Amino acid sequence: DTGVSQNPRHKITKRGQNVTFRCDPISEHNRLYWYRQTLGQGPEFLTYFQNEAQLEKSRLLSDRFSAERPKGSFSTLEIQRTEQGDSAMYLCASSLGSGNEQFFGPGTRLTVL
Amino acid sequence: ELKVEQNPLFLSMQEGKNYTIYCNYSTTSDRLYWYRQDPGKSLESLFVLLSNGAVKQEGRLMASLDTKARLSTLHITAAVHDLSATYFCAVDTLDLSGTYKYIFGTGTRLKVLA
Repeated sequence: DTGVSQNPRHKITKRGQNVTFRCDPISEHNRLYWYRQTLGQGPEFLTYFQNEAQLEKSRLLSDRFSAERPKGSFSTLEIQRTEQGDSAMYLCASSLGSGNEQFFGPGTRLTVL
Repeated sequence: ELKVEQNPLFLSMQEGKNYTIYCNYSTTSDRLYWYRQDPGKSLESLFVLLSNGAVKQEGRLMASLDTKARLSTLHITAAVHDLSATYFCAVDTLDLSGTYKYIFGTGTRLKVLA
């Protein structure tokens, strides 16, 4: 399968715990995006990378959130000290350059108890 | 602030009927994408519209783009139950740093009744 993959698919955690998600983009795609989607809403942009450089972060991305893409391939999104409001689907997408179609992964559904 | 609005938000229709979903956006863009999302699943690409007047068709769905009116439509012909899903439009807009970024619409939740 050469699409975007994400792990884990589901994560249940207790409030205050840290969680980390992984995204593997389509191999030749240099751009990688993270979105958050809450129930009944469209995806909201969180951050994106061009190769290993994180070029923009949304105001939605509080200081408890950090994302990396160390070698310009896979990316991780970490949430520290999770809160119930962090419960959402976290989607990763990749594209070949700016202005091209983004392809989405299956998402990681986070539930914070 | 860029806004992307879809209407209707909810649509319940009988099998065999036709209907149109509208996507209005508030800034200049000539790139628009339509996605389908099934409950608990990710986004599946439906159409890529990259110029004014673009029209794409796949099966019972047809999408069009009018960049002057800042409007895209997704037309459903002779709906079938399998089309039940949530449909999102996403406008690809150039921000101040010169980067294209998606802004998603509010989504239209479609239910096709047998």
